[in-house]
Amino acid sequence: NAGVTQTPKFQVLKTGQSMTLQCAQDMNHEYMSWYRQDPGMGLRLIHYSVGAGITDQGEVPNGYNVSRSTTEDFPLRLLSAAPSQTSVYFCASSYGGQGAIGYTFGSGTRLTVV
Amino acid sequence: AQKITQTQPGMFVQEKEAVTLDCTYDTSDQSYGLFWYKQPSSGEMIFLIYQGSYDEQNATEGRYSLNFQKARKSANLVISASQLGDSAMYFCAMRERNAGNMLTFGGGTRLMVKP
Repeated sequence: NAGVTQTPKFQVLKTGQSMTLQCAQDMNHEYMSWYRQDPGMGLRLIHYSVGAGITDQGEVPNGYNVSRSTTEDFPLRLLSAAPSQTSVYFCASSYGGQGAIGYTFGSGTRLTVV
Repeated sequence: AQKITQTQPGMFVQEKEAVTLDCTYDTSDQSYGLFWYKQPSSGEMIFLIYQGSYDEQNATEGRYSLNFQKARKSANLVISASQLGDSAMYFCAMRERNAGNMLTFGGGTRLMVKP
């Protein structure tokens, strides 16, 4: 099915471990982004990309790294996991520009850091 | 300052009645877009409705309408004829050119529909 695929769906990490959350889309969208959602709160932007080879920081980038080597993939790396990074992570993609452009969200990755 | 403010953490509505969820925003962009998303307990983000800053008419999508008051910087979501399946978290979000055309979200409103 077309859309945004996130893996894994669930993950438990120990403090200090590193890992990569995967995000792939097959809609040829230019824009991709990562958000985190803490309990009872809205989504906050971590990093985003407006095209292959281009990334930028969002509101809460510390502790995370991204790269965009292809249009389809936008992995999010946790360098050294901390309990404060326990959250649900959403990847989203969209066509660039203005107007009623649709943002397609993945189903989320629930990460727990112990 | 908060970019998107949703002042109602939780709301109840009787089934079949209408309900308004509040959203105010802050931007210096002339061109921006406002979105509403629904997040049921299963966790996915479902797009409901969009309003562009230059749109003169309020957006409507089925039972959803957006009460857009540009001078007051408000973009309230109106759900008519509430259904039990409308029980969920609702998020207002804004896209600004100055923010790389990415979405900024409010804190959300939890809507509970009573039978």
